[in-house]
Amino acid sequence: AQSVTQLDSQVPVFEEAPVELRCNYSSSVSVYLFWYVQYPNQGLQLLLKYLSGSTLVKGINGFEAEFNKSQTSFHLRKPSVHISDTAEYFCAVSVDTGRRALTFGSGTRLQVQP
Amino acid sequence: GAVVSQHPSRVICKSGTSVKIECRSLDFQATTMFWYRQFPKQSLMLMATSNEGSKATYEQGVEKDKFLINHASLTLSTLTVTSAHPEDSSFYICSARLPGGPTEAFFGQGTRLTVV
Repeated sequence: AQSVTQLDSQVPVFEEAPVELRCNYSSSVSVYLFWYVQYPNQGLQLLLKYLSGSTLVKGINGFEAEFNKSQTSFHLRKPSVHISDTAEYFCAVSVDTGRRALTFGSGTRLQVQP
Repeated sequence: GAVVSQHPSRVICKSGTSVKIECRSLDFQATTMFWYRQFPKQSLMLMATSNEGSKATYEQGVEKDKFLINHASLTLSTLTVTSAHPEDSSFYICSARLPGGPTEAFFGQGTRLTVV
């Protein structure tokens, strides 16, 4: 089975500052990795994904993430955040066998302050 | 990207009644859909995997008689919360994946269920 750990439940940051949201995973097989964003009372929107190839992936809204197999990590970064980035961020993994459902981390609340 | 529509977005019901939540894939056919439950300030917990034309696969600890799932067509899955109680109050989210390889999941807007 897979598991995902998001070490930071909340990350406060000032507007225009850089941010990194951490994600570590555990799996006995190869995984696919995703970052989703959730605004209050809404579903999830995909920010970016890693399926294969280049370990640095770029997503929407200026976010990027780097897959590090040796450290089993997939940290999310943005060089300069905006107030509108305030939301809940979820890291998720899936495998290409079985039901292929996503396994989510506990989420990180990004709070951007003016 | 693909669109998944979930309805209703918000529902309030009385204890003991049943509530049906619909999840539709609008521009693709989804042989498999997933139902998640999210408690306040917590992550999404997979409840069940909905398979078109067959019985749903429930996760351990999820009562299949309370949470009835029907996936009658390639674009519609429904979750019925039967004999709802206040502890069933939660945010329910469905998702679907495009057929084939390891694509991302597309999520509905979620349904806020409040049982009074």
